[in-house]
Amino acid sequence: DGGITQSPKYLFRKEGQNVTLSCEQNLNHDAMYWYRQDPGQGLRLIYYSQIVNDFQKGDIAEGYSVSREKKESFPLTVTSAQKNPTAFYLCASTAEWQGNTGELFFGEGSRLTVL
Amino acid sequence: QQQVKQSPQSLIVQKGGISIINCAYENTAFDYFPWYQQFPGKGPALLIAIRPDVSEKKEGRFTISFNKSAKQFSLHIMDSQPGDSATYFCAASLYNFNKFYFGSGTKLNVKP
Repeated sequence: DGGITQSPKYLFRKEGQNVTLSCEQNLNHDAMYWYRQDPGQGLRLIYYSQIVNDFQKGDIAEGYSVSREKKESFPLTVTSAQKNPTAFYLCASTAEWQGNTGELFFGEGSRLTVL
Repeated sequence: QQQVKQSPQSLIVQKGGISIINCAYENTAFDYFPWYQQFPGKGPALLIAIRPDVSEKKEGRFTISFNKSAKQFSLHIMDSQPGDSATYFCAASLYNFNKFYFGSGTKLNVKP
């Protein structure tokens, strides 16, 4: 089945530790995104990548880092510099814009809790 | 500055009623307006989307109404069912889909 796989689903971290969230897609999509979701808030863009080895900061990139070494993979690292990292993190992808529907496909999310 | 504003934050509707969620946007260059549905603990999924060249789009019980001059669009859920209880997000993007701007979400509760 084609889709986006995020892991782990739940993650606990001690303050001061970095943690990496995995996102893998087998949809052959070019663009991938990381969003953060907090209760009562919308989805806020952390980083996005439209092509391998290239990515751009979103609206709340501070304290986060990403890499895009392969088309299928877009891992997100939550660093100790992120002041309030407890949140639900969503990875998404979409096909290249020419001829596509613009639909964002989301993974099931990773819930990070800082203890 | 929030690019897409969504209201209400929460909504309670009786089974069989009409649910209406509204969104307003700022950037007139936006070219694509989707609605996403999210169940607890899951990622959002596309429900229905519209482009600004039409004023209405209907798919089953779900309808988007679009008012380009007012820079507003809304989701109407006809004959609302308990299974529709979820959080709904409106969004907007430019023609190249390189960045999506989401509303703050509406939590819909359909009472049996």
